[in-house]
Amino acid sequence: SQQGEEDPQALSIQEGENATMNCSYKTSINNLQWYRQNSGRGLVHLILIRSNEREKHSGRLRVTLDTSKKSSSLLITASRAADTASYFCATDGEGGSEKLVFGKGTKLTVNP
Amino acid sequence: DAGVIQSPRHEVTEMGQEVTLRCKLISGHNSLFWYRQTMMRGLELLIYFNNNVPIDDSGMPEDRFSAKMPNASFSTLKIQPSEPRDSAVYFCASSTRQSRGNEQFFGPGTRLTVL
Repeated sequence: SQQGEEDPQALSIQEGENATMNCSYKTSINNLQWYRQNSGRGLVHLILIRSNEREKHSGRLRVTLDTSKKSSSLLITASRAADTASYFCATDGEGGSEKLVFGKGTKLTVNP
Repeated sequence: DAGVIQSPRHEVTEMGQEVTLRCKLISGHNSLFWYRQTMMRGLELLIYFNNNVPIDDSGMPEDRFSAKMPNASFSTLKIQPSEPRDSAVYFCASSTRQSRGNEQFFGPGTRLTVL
């Protein structure tokens, strides 16, 4: 079964607004990653948060992790039309496996 | 570095034909992952290699699918015979143990259409 499940499936906002996407997972993890996919392209790594971290920032991105609830959120502040893409969370396997399991993604549309 | 290179970018074939997808890893990376992406099933891991050795092929749908790494920088994914339900975008990704938390670097994908 899918390890990561993103919510919502689709999100449409206006430029300048903040976008929040959530991810839930089922098993213990070492780290959780967020990736972005522009239409017709491969996935691009955005940010990684380790299981012993609660929050991480990178530019306009803020990621939180709550291991007790097995959930993470990705916040994009001051969104731009260029942020329009699908966003995926990915979790690693237990025991430091290199294998990542991806959720089905949130399709974000930022309207100019 | 050119990043992960995949070829062809698009492939249209008829049911029953053999299809070969190709992937060149980023120089210095030693892990290679093949994924399939569809609207219905999302992104699925098919198989991954570490140092040219297949580690986990539990995602390979059936015997019609096979993957090889003839050398440290190149991999092929073969489907023989192809079926319409194989239509999808196939990605390969590479990583190295030195990359943070096994960050994976994706190629641009091959869009396969089986008629």
